[in-house]
Amino acid sequence: GIQVEQSPPDLILQEGANSTLRCNFSDSVNNLQWFHQNPWGQLINLFYIPSGTKQNGRLSATTVATERYSLLYISSSQTTDSGVYFCAGAQKLVFGQGTRLTINP
Amino acid sequence: EAQVTQNPRYLITVTGKKLTVTCSQNMNHEYMSWYRQDPGLGLRQIYYSMNVEVTDKGDVPEGYKVSRKEKRNFPLILESPSPNQTSLYFCASRGQVGLTEAFFGQGTRLTVV
Repeated sequence: GIQVEQSPPDLILQEGANSTLRCNFSDSVNNLQWFHQNPWGQLINLFYIPSGTKQNGRLSATTVATERYSLLYISSSQTTDSGVYFCAGAQKLVFGQGTRLTINP
Repeated sequence: EAQVTQNPRYLITVTGKKLTVTCSQNMNHEYMSWYRQDPGLGLRQIYYSMNVEVTDKGDVPEGYKVSRKEKRNFPLILESPSPNQTSLYFCASRGQVGLTEAFFGQGTRLTVV
């Protein structure tokens, strides 16, 4: 089956820093999504981005479908950005293992 | 408001006592699925349904049952829960397989003692 790799697994930053999270797929997908899992365990939809670039406030995402990867950019990090970020895709919506982001004040 | 609603949010039960976790969506989506999330194992699909009366196994179906009698509802049934089913469970829905955005419920934290 399809494999999803996320990097880095852990990221610790100071408030105000910028970060880039990466998601690689072993095969092409046409429904790539990014989620944020907050400290209460809820999965929050960030982007549905099969290809191209989208922006939502301080967050943006880019998917290069032909090269099977996607990037999530977080600018001017805030402590509320802390949590685990997942990418997922493919028919069965296969998830990566996530990137745990910690933003320190 | 478009949403996927799971109940209960938290549940502690004893081994062998049958339970049902409900899932309902108000977006008229065809595709619904259940996942469990465990430390170190990530999110894994349990069962999915492509439409009413059409269900199929995901990656970890053992010990679970599902039914899809109505388009909006997709309950997860544990006939005889065991401690290894202690987990965080998510229900998800989307319009068409592989073509649209998936939406997740709030999660159900299940503890089996």
